[in-house]
Amino acid sequence: EVQLLESGGGLVQPGGSLRLSCAASGFTFTRYDMSWVRQAPGKRLEWVSAISGSDSGDSTYYADSVKGRFIISRDNSMSTLFLQMNSLRAEDTAVYYCAKGFSYTLGLLLPFDYWGQGTLVTVSS
Amino acid sequence: DIQMTQSPFSLSASVGDRVTITCRARQGISDYLAWYQRKPGEVPTLLIYAASTLQSGVPSRFSGSGSGTHFTLTISSLQPEDAATYYCQKYNSAPLTFGGGTKVEIK
Repeated sequence: EVQLLESGGGLVQPGGSLRLSCAASGFTFTRYDMSWVRQAPGKRLEWVSAISGSDSGDSTYYADSVKGRFIISRDNSMSTLFLQMNSLRAEDTAVYYCAKGFSYTLGLLLPFDYWGQGTLVTVSS
Repeated sequence: DIQMTQSPFSLSASVGDRVTITCRARQGISDYLAWYQRKPGEVPTLLIYAASTLQSGVPSRFSGSGSGTHFTLTISSLQPEDAATYYCQKYNSAPLTFGGGTKVEIK
């Protein structure tokens, strides 16, 4: 059974940093693209960042809203996805979900067939 | 970045009704379009990818169509368990933008 378990959320002051983790199990983690998606209160789902599977060289992708501030990475030995969030702003307040691409043979940046339950990040003074 | 616009914002329909939700892309995205269902308190579930391909396990009353800039999700016979918010998502390239969602309620 595929499981994605996020951790690392919490309350942080503007300008601060936070590192999110997503522990994956139930599938061959190294093969699949993984993404972070967030949803702020009352807002639509917003894709944040993605990292390709290792067969595609761990390429990384970012939304313009987080480019230069967030860094996505993965540790395949631990089947864990990370999101390092720096220079946090009030508008980064959201529930952050990790999500798994649904195939490793049909290309990069695919839709998501599994999502974690999310971790809440609150940026406030 | 390509914006994704869904309509209507919400709808109310009876069990057995045919329901159609529209998603429009500001620029052409070929068939790189997915649909998700999200029930209250749950995470999204992938329904359709490649605009019209049903994800494994999804009931056949769900169908998708379209290409380029105009896409539709159709529920052929609405069931009580279909009450949810539905989202489209483009994935032709980053960013993988979502539509604003359409809330489907059962009368």
